[in-house]
Amino acid sequence: GAVVSQHPSRVICKSGTSVKIECRSLDFQATTMFWYRQFPKQSLMLMATSNEGSKATYEQGVEKDKFLINHASLTLSTLTVTSAHPEDSSFYICSARRLAGESYEQYFGPGTRLTVT
Amino acid sequence: GQNIDQPTEMTATEGAIVQINCTYQTSGFNGLFWYQQHAGEAPTFLSYNVLDGLEEKGRFSSFLSRSKGYSYLLLKELQMKDSASYLCAPLDSNYQLIWGAGTKLIIKP
Repeated sequence: GAVVSQHPSRVICKSGTSVKIECRSLDFQATTMFWYRQFPKQSLMLMATSNEGSKATYEQGVEKDKFLINHASLTLSTLTVTSAHPEDSSFYICSARRLAGESYEQYFGPGTRLTVT
Repeated sequence: GQNIDQPTEMTATEGAIVQINCTYQTSGFNGLFWYQQHAGEAPTFLSYNVLDGLEEKGRFSSFLSRSKGYSYLLLKELQMKDSASYLCAPLDSNYQLIWGAGTKLIIKP
């Protein structure tokens, strides 16, 4: 149990276009989902925390108008990179946490490698 | 502030034992996770310690000392597939994982 999927796994887009990444918890309900970005040989950087049905909480320095997060249901969160630029090229990883009261383990999706040309 | 300190890189021999140390400073503490991350992949869960002491799980064990802000991950009978980065991630008072850069472990035959 506790499988998280991400789609797409890889995407190449042109500068100025928008890209949507989906994160799904397949066999559990996730009240909280997290979006991370990771540049090569660097640590995971938390971008935002989203709770089902409410607005995402963005980390300092992350533009909420550029990285749109929607957590519409207990099993789905989406990250849309709007007007993407080459510096947005990175590995984007989502994770999901089960309902409060249980382990605070985060289950990670396989990641999405975004390349902006 | 919040800080994680792990060695950047370690090298070990196949079949041997290696200990990866982690010291941390966080605003509050609600346990500590160890994750494994292979290059180009997402992290996968290895262990979770919330009380002091050693937790053993197969070839991997994790130790925690809350008073010292210290944890280690012990890997036994190393295999080539253990070559990866190992991430120490404490859970702060807001139940957020705090990530360091991790330790890149290189296994040599």
